[in-house]
Amino acid sequence: GDSVTQMEGPVTLSEEAFLTINCTYTATGYPSLFWYVQYPGEGLQLLLKATKADDKGSNKGFEATYRKETTSFHLEKGSVQVSDSAVYFCALLNDYKLSFGAGTTVTVRA
Amino acid sequence: DGGITQSPKYLFRKEGQNVTLSCEQNLNHDAMYWYRQDPGQGLRLIYYSQIVNDFQKGDIAEGYSVSREKKESFPLTVTSAQKNPTAFYLCASSMRLAGLAYNEQFFGPGTRLTVL
Repeated sequence: GDSVTQMEGPVTLSEEAFLTINCTYTATGYPSLFWYVQYPGEGLQLLLKATKADDKGSNKGFEATYRKETTSFHLEKGSVQVSDSAVYFCALLNDYKLSFGAGTTVTVRA
Repeated sequence: DGGITQSPKYLFRKEGQNVTLSCEQNLNHDAMYWYRQDPGQGLRLIYYSQIVNDFQKGDIAEGYSVSREKKESFPLTVTSAQKNPTAFYLCASSMRLAGLAYNEQFFGPGTRLTVL
């Protein structure tokens, strides 16, 4: 079946540092890929998406590129802020089913 | 404002009791989903519904039940048969595209259930 593997956390960074969270997947067919973010005590918010190979999703300074050849969808941000502290989930959508990675907790210190 | 609402935000239950979690959406989405989230883990699918009056088991359906009598509502009942019900429960919905494909899922704010 489909599966998503993402970098284990927690990740602790200083403000303005560069953030990368690795995500790789296994899937049949042509899935769409997503990054969701979860703030403490809240539901998941869609951060960005890519629906086909070589698409780049971007939002709020975050970027991720759908790499079919390496089955990856790594999340990057060039300069993080304290407000970026959250749990980040990589996810894969095949037909109706959304498969999630385990989540990566990111803490940004001032 | 379109969105997904879940109630209550916090719920406490005694062992042996059934409890129902509410999920309502006004996005006119076809499909709705229930997930369970445990600390340090990703989300696991409990049940999903692609159309009114129809629903399917997900990966961890044992001890749960659902109904889909209206397009906008998808309540989840946690029964006494669920051995470890304490968790964060998230409802989601999505729009159907062509064939079997669906658009991205949008999530509600969640309900935290604690069994005392």
